[in-house]
Amino acid sequence: GAGVSQSPSNKVTEKGKDVELRCDPISGHTALYWYRQSLGQGLEFLIYFQGNSAPDKSGLPSDRFSAERTGGSVSTLTIQRTQQEDSAVYLCASSGQPELSGANVLTFGAGSRLTVL
Amino acid sequence: QKEVEQNSGPLSVPEGAIASLNCTYSDRGSQSFFWYRQYSGKSPELIMSIYSNGDKEDGRFTAQLNKASQYVSLLIRDSQPSDSATYLCAVSSGTGRRALTFGSGTRLQVQP
Repeated sequence: GAGVSQSPSNKVTEKGKDVELRCDPISGHTALYWYRQSLGQGLEFLIYFQGNSAPDKSGLPSDRFSAERTGGSVSTLTIQRTQQEDSAVYLCASSGQPELSGANVLTFGAGSRLTVL
Repeated sequence: QKEVEQNSGPLSVPEGAIASLNCTYSDRGSQSFFWYRQYSGKSPELIMSIYSNGDKEDGRFTAQLNKASQYVSLLIRDSQPSDSATYLCAVSSGTGRRALTFGSGTRLQVQP
C-alpha cells in the first residue's frame, strides 16, 4: 500500500483480556518495527523484523507480549492478559533496504491507541 | 543515563526566530542520527537524517552533528506557528541492532 496501515485505530479492553494489533507495512519494505508511546513520553522500542532473519525481541517488556510477521509482510502484535500499564499508542513502522550506514529510515503508521480499563 | 536525552521543553520562540533543539546520546559507536517531528495526536514523520560530522541543511532546517561531543542538534530558521510540535531525536545503535533509539522529545511552541 501507499503507507503503513494499522488496525484497530482505537481499542478499549478490560484488564486481563488479550488484544491483537495489526500492521500492514509499505509494499516491498523488508524491515518492520513496533514501538509504543505512553502519554507524553518518547518511543519505546518493542520488536524489529528484518527479512527472514530472526526478529530482535529485546524490547518486549514481558512474556505477555509477542509478535509475528507472516510471509514477510503483515505483522500482528499480541498482548495477553492486558494490564492497565499496557495502555499506550502502539506504533508500527517499516523501512526498505538498510542504507550503507546501517540504519533504516522509518515510515510510521497512524498507531493503535490501546486503553486497558 | 538514558541512551538519548532531550530537554522536554516546552521551548517557546517567537515567529520568525531561530529554534535550536538539542540532543545528546550515550553510545559512542552510534552511526546514524535522525530528527522526527510529531504533531499532537499524530505519528512521527522524518525531517532530517545526518551521518557525518558537520552541518546538513534542508530548507529552513539544519542538522548539526558532533560525534566527539556525542551531540546532535536541529536548527529551524524563520520559525512558523506550523512548526509547533514535538521533535524527536533518534539514534542508530552501534551494536549492530538496527532499531532506532528515540529520545523523549522536545516540545516546540512558536508564538505568532
